[in-house]
Amino acid sequence: AQKVTQAQTEISVVEKEDVTLDCVYETRDTTYYLFWYKQPPSGELVFLIRRNSFDEQNEISGRYSWNFQKSTSSFNFTITASQVVDSAVYFCALSGKRGSNYKLTFGKGTLLTVNP
Amino acid sequence: GAGVSQTPSNKVTEKGKYVELRCDPISGHTALYWYRQSLGQGPEFLIYFQGTGAADDSGLPNDRFFAVRPEGSVSTLKIQRTERGDSAVYLCASSLNGGALYEQYFGPGTRLTVT
Repeated sequence: AQKVTQAQTEISVVEKEDVTLDCVYETRDTTYYLFWYKQPPSGELVFLIRRNSFDEQNEISGRYSWNFQKSTSSFNFTITASQVVDSAVYFCALSGKRGSNYKLTFGKGTLLTVNP
Repeated sequence: GAGVSQTPSNKVTEKGKYVELRCDPISGHTALYWYRQSLGQGPEFLIYFQGTGAADDSGLPNDRFFAVRPEGSVSTLKIQRTERGDSAVYLCASSLNGGALYEQYFGPGTRLTVT
């Protein structure tokens, strides 16, 4: 079975602080994909990144960066110089192949509040 | 272009009633997923369509839940004899194809409240 654990339920920071959201996953698949989604107060899930299990290179996109470590089964997400608009619930998700189905298994999410 | 749309945005129903939730995927997307998100939780997979057929319905909680996609586009999630525990946000997502290389685009969801 696949499982995603986001141990941090809520994080509160002050604007311009850096913040890291943790994600630990479990899977028996040798090929799998990891994702981060953002869910702002409006409710619609917004795709942020996808990473396959063979690519352990860290990735940076603007103020966002992701650290994938297979050895610890972690895929952590860092926001540098946080802004109020970053306030949202962030979900880490895992996808493995079952036939043709790449359904996503989500963690419970981390509520990030960035205060001005 | 237009994203995934879901109707209604909110649905309040009484325990025991039947409800239908509709999803309009992005045009041309062959894969369609339904998820359910309870308060304070991440979305949980319900069912996956590739074209018109339900390729994986392993997430449906019981036989009161059923979904169709007769023409390979619009999908309807049907819940019979609703229970208070069915209250949640029902999310629909579509992707160009069923592989993980294809991003799943989510709709805004339908908030179902069973009183």
